[in-house]
Amino acid sequence: ILNVEQSPQSLHVQEGDSTNFTCSFPSSNFYALHWYRWETAKSPEALFVMTLNGDEKKKGRISATLNTKEGYSYLYIKGSQPEDSATYLCAPQSNDYKLSFGAGTTVTVRA
Amino acid sequence: EADIYQTPRYLVIGTGKKITLECSQTMGHDKMYWYQQDPGMELHLIHYSYGVNSTEKGDLSSESTVSRIRTEHFPLTLESARPSHTSQYLCASSEGPGAGGYTFGSGTRLTVV
Repeated sequence: ILNVEQSPQSLHVQEGDSTNFTCSFPSSNFYALHWYRWETAKSPEALFVMTLNGDEKKKGRISATLNTKEGYSYLYIKGSQPEDSATYLCAPQSNDYKLSFGAGTTVTVRA
Repeated sequence: EADIYQTPRYLVIGTGKKITLECSQTMGHDKMYWYQQDPGMELHLIHYSYGVNSTEKGDLSSESTVSRIRTEHFPLTLESARPSHTSQYLCASSEGPGAGGYTFGSGTRLTVV
């Protein structure tokens, strides 16, 4: 099991503001880094899978970056909307292809 | 529209009962997984399968067992439920490494009283 740290644990954002949060993971034995969005009463939904150092991915107003050498990833939300309220899970994938999940960052967007 | 289905969504059951949590997917994925999550905690892998007749225990020890007789079906069984088994159980599937993220079911919230 990889030790995955996500910070902060929760944050509140005003509608229209931008925000970002962090995922830290061991840089050894790395294969890929997954991000999932988990809305209340729904299934976790895959946002990004990144493999290369320096990778940047974007989906609408959400983007992510990856640093495999130092073992961290940032997820950014630009112009937050109420529908962005969810828990965002980070999951590094090791060379045996298993995912290890962080506890998540819970984002609440206030109108 | 879900491509991976879990039933039941909620289950409250007495101690000592045998239970089976169902998970089915329609995507033809070879790889399937069961995760357990306690409130406020991380998802922990308890079982996985890379194909029919292949099952392995995950990183978190669990008293549950799984079977994979058909590609689309990956049920989880507890022979004798205990209050310590109270948790959320999530099923997921994937095409494999490099093919994108996992597809998750809606989960089963199990309460053993």
